[in-house]
Amino acid sequence: QKEVEQNSGPLSVPEGAIASLNCTYSDRGSQSFFWYRQYSGKSPELIMSIYSNGDKEDGRFTAQLNKASQYVSLLIRDSQPSDSATYLCAVSSGSARQLTFGSGTQLTVLP
Amino acid sequence: GAVVSQHPSWVICKSGTSVKIECRSLDFQATTMFWYRQFPKQSLMLMATSNEGSKATYEQGVEKDKFLINHASLTLSTLTVTSAHPEDSSFYICSAGGVGGQPQHFGDGTRLSIL
Repeated sequence: QKEVEQNSGPLSVPEGAIASLNCTYSDRGSQSFFWYRQYSGKSPELIMSIYSNGDKEDGRFTAQLNKASQYVSLLIRDSQPSDSATYLCAVSSGSARQLTFGSGTQLTVLP
Repeated sequence: GAVVSQHPSWVICKSGTSVKIECRSLDFQATTMFWYRQFPKQSLMLMATSNEGSKATYEQGVEKDKFLINHASLTLSTLTVTSAHPEDSSFYICSAGGVGGQPQHFGDGTRLSIL
């Protein structure tokens, strides 16, 4: 059973702070890792994808992957109230293309 | 980026009605699409993988006769909830993509309410 685990939160940070979201996965064969943001009542939208160990930065977002520790994280710098949402970690293995989602972390950025 | 369109966005109907949801890939051909279900405050659960020109692959516990999937073209997959009951009320979301490990892109979702 492939599992993806996230701290469910809720996580609250003040505006301008760094928000740190964490995710662990059980399948060592996992090759593709994604962070999706989901606003209440909406469908998920892709924030970041990462495929190799290390950091990947895109604007205020940085994804970090450590395959040895089976750990992936998302940092949001200079957090804004508009970042308040549920963040879903998703993992894909090999050619299956199916995504396994974590339960999501609810983030609130306080003005 | 890739665009996936889902229709309708919202359905309210009486118990016993069958409801069809459409998922279209607008700017790319999708041999595979995915159907998810999401209950309030829960994560997405994969229901089935829709394969163009062949039968869908259903996840364990998902009733094939209840949730009919048709993927007749490279740009359209449909999910029909047959004889819907209140317990089928949920947020249904389709996605496409994922080829070569690339991200899946999601439709806007369909909120289904069965009275």
